[in-house]
Amino acid sequence: DGGITQSPKYLFRKEGQNVTLSCEQNLNHDAMYWYRQDPGQGLRLIYYSQIVNDFQKGDIAEGYSVSREKKESFPLTVTSAQKNPTAFYLCASRYSNTEAFFGQGTRLTVV
Amino acid sequence: GENVEQHPSTLSVQEGDSAVIKCTYSDSASNYFPWYKQELGKRPQLIIDIRSNVGEKKDQRIAVTLNKTAKHFSLHITETQPEDSAVYFCGSAGHTGGFKTIFGAGTRLFVKA
Repeated sequence: DGGITQSPKYLFRKEGQNVTLSCEQNLNHDAMYWYRQDPGQGLRLIYYSQIVNDFQKGDIAEGYSVSREKKESFPLTVTSAQKNPTAFYLCASRYSNTEAFFGQGTRLTVV
Repeated sequence: GENVEQHPSTLSVQEGDSAVIKCTYSDSASNYFPWYKQELGKRPQLIIDIRSNVGEKKDQRIAVTLNKTAKHFSLHITETQPEDSAVYFCGSAGHTGGFKTIFGAGTRLFVKA
């Protein structure tokens, strides 16, 4: 499946809870990304990381946090500060300025 | 910040006809332009890409054209088939923003049999 794996596939969050989405890649890519997908709004960049122990905010970083302690892993935490977290979350990785490979996505729902 | 506009948001064509999707980018430093296809419930997958030193690229029924001066690029699908029905995203990446890719809002293509 392209060497990039997201888990879980479906996730349910209660009001006020933090949840963490996992993203792991074995492609030896330096750069990793988190996108949020809502109907009709395309892919919006949340956070990205170009190297271990470094990451930058994207266009919609508020209410989210990330870490990049290992090259292979880039977990995303959706905090209680994110007021409308229900969405489809996609992780991607790429080598230099080339094609980005996407994970299969995590669908997060607030219950 | 960088922005990519994509049109149309929805496109319906008859099987066998051509489909054209257009994108405009804002960052003049952008030098890599991918196109992704996303089928319902699945991950986006690259179908074609083009770099800023090339004006056109073709792969079977799919072609992409780039006008750097106008900051426009377009996806052309010829002889459309029902299995081409999906959401298509254009992207823009370049040195100014490091290696991040900014995507358009997507075009939902329907190919009627």
